[in-house]
Amino acid sequence: SQQGEEDPQALSIQEGENATMNCSYKTSINNLQWYRQNSGRGLVHLILIRSNEREKHSGRLRVTLDTSKKSSSLLITASRAADTASYFCATARLGGYQKVTFGTGTKLQVIP
Amino acid sequence: DADVTQTPRNRITKTGKRIMLECSQTKGHDRMYWYRQDPGLGLRLIYYSFDVKDINKGEISDGYSVSRQAQAKFSLSLESAIPNQTALYFCATSDFSPIGTDTQYFGPGTRLTVL
Repeated sequence: SQQGEEDPQALSIQEGENATMNCSYKTSINNLQWYRQNSGRGLVHLILIRSNEREKHSGRLRVTLDTSKKSSSLLITASRAADTASYFCATARLGGYQKVTFGTGTKLQVIP
Repeated sequence: DADVTQTPRNRITKTGKRIMLECSQTKGHDRMYWYRQDPGLGLRLIYYSFDVKDINKGEISDGYSVSRQAQAKFSLSLESAIPNQTALYFCATSDFSPIGTDTQYFGPGTRLTVL
């Protein structure tokens, strides 16, 4: 079963707008990561946020984590056509092997 | 050169055939993984290996086997391919992090079609 589920499944915005994607998960985590996938290609790591962090920034990316609600959001500011891709959250559970489980992804289309 | 490579990139085969997908990495990581991706289901873990002598089943290992020939090489086999194994297959690597913050590095994927 999927640990993380992204919302929305698909998102279409105009270039320059902000894009927000959400991830909900079920069990306690060690950390949460966001990955990006261009069509038919391998995933690329974007950012990691640890369970004791609430917000993290990297360039135009802003990630928040609310462990009480078991949710995270990824905000891409000032979107560009090149941001068109699918975005996945991946959760790493506590204890034992740090198993990483990927969500089902949000497909983002940025219209020039 | 790509750090994680997969061969072949595309493969069409018939039901019942044996297929091997290969993965090589130059990142020097000990940990390697095989995933499959199906539309609407995200990535699902098939097998993972933490070093050459360590092989572990993931959530969907039935119908698959793996071999870790060296630190840099991890191959996935379908002993008798069936149509519902049609999917995009990814290899990934990661380095061990004592605080559990492994980042995974993915290969370009192999698109497998079983007729």
